[in-house]
Amino acid sequence: GAVVSQHPSWVICKSGTSVKIECRSLDFQATTMFWYRQFPKQSLMLMATSNEGSKATYEQGVEKDKFLINHASLTLSTLTVTSAHPEDSSFYICSAREGARLAGGETQYFGPGTRLLVL
Amino acid sequence: DQQVKQNSPSLSVQEGRISILNCDYTNSMFDYFLWYKKYPAEGPTFLISISSIKDKNEDGRFTVFLNKSAKHLSLHIVPSQPGDSAVYFCAASAHQAGTALIFGKGTTLSVSS
Repeated sequence: GAVVSQHPSWVICKSGTSVKIECRSLDFQATTMFWYRQFPKQSLMLMATSNEGSKATYEQGVEKDKFLINHASLTLSTLTVTSAHPEDSSFYICSAREGARLAGGETQYFGPGTRLLVL
Repeated sequence: DQQVKQNSPSLSVQEGRISILNCDYTNSMFDYFLWYKKYPAEGPTFLISISSIKDKNEDGRFTVFLNKSAKHLSLHIVPSQPGDSAVYFCAASAHQAGTALIFGKGTTLSVSS
């Protein structure tokens, strides 16, 4: 199956600093990537949808100036958490949709996630 | 308002028996449904999917059933194995509208040997 990687897998940072998380599709081109956040014992919450070469679409309640998303190529999207605070500590997961929307569905493949701890 | 609901937070099954995980949805525009398996501190792994034009899809030990009139789908795992112990997420999308996946809260499956 399609492989999606994330880097780093773990990051600890001081409050007020910025953290960049990379999401790469390793063996396919992803025109669309998604960023999710998961709190303990909660579902995956969609933060934003990222389309290659265009601005990301953010879900209601997600601050676009705080969570900067760049989808610079068909295999790379980055999420930058700016001026991180302890409440931003969470598990961030990206996913990539292989190819265009086709009849029959649109499977997303997920990265392994990035655990962020803001002190 | 939760569009995808997994009302059972946990399920315990003995090895070799059948595991049935349930999922309900409210949005009639959803036309593609997926099940993901997730271990702690890892990203979800795609298991199986079904489009609204079908009512059943089978892949090895995993079968997904879709009842559109009831807006209900279920994942059957048979026989269950200890390695199946994980959190299972149901997800849905309205692919004609190009929406992202909407996830349920997950069901933790524990398979005992």
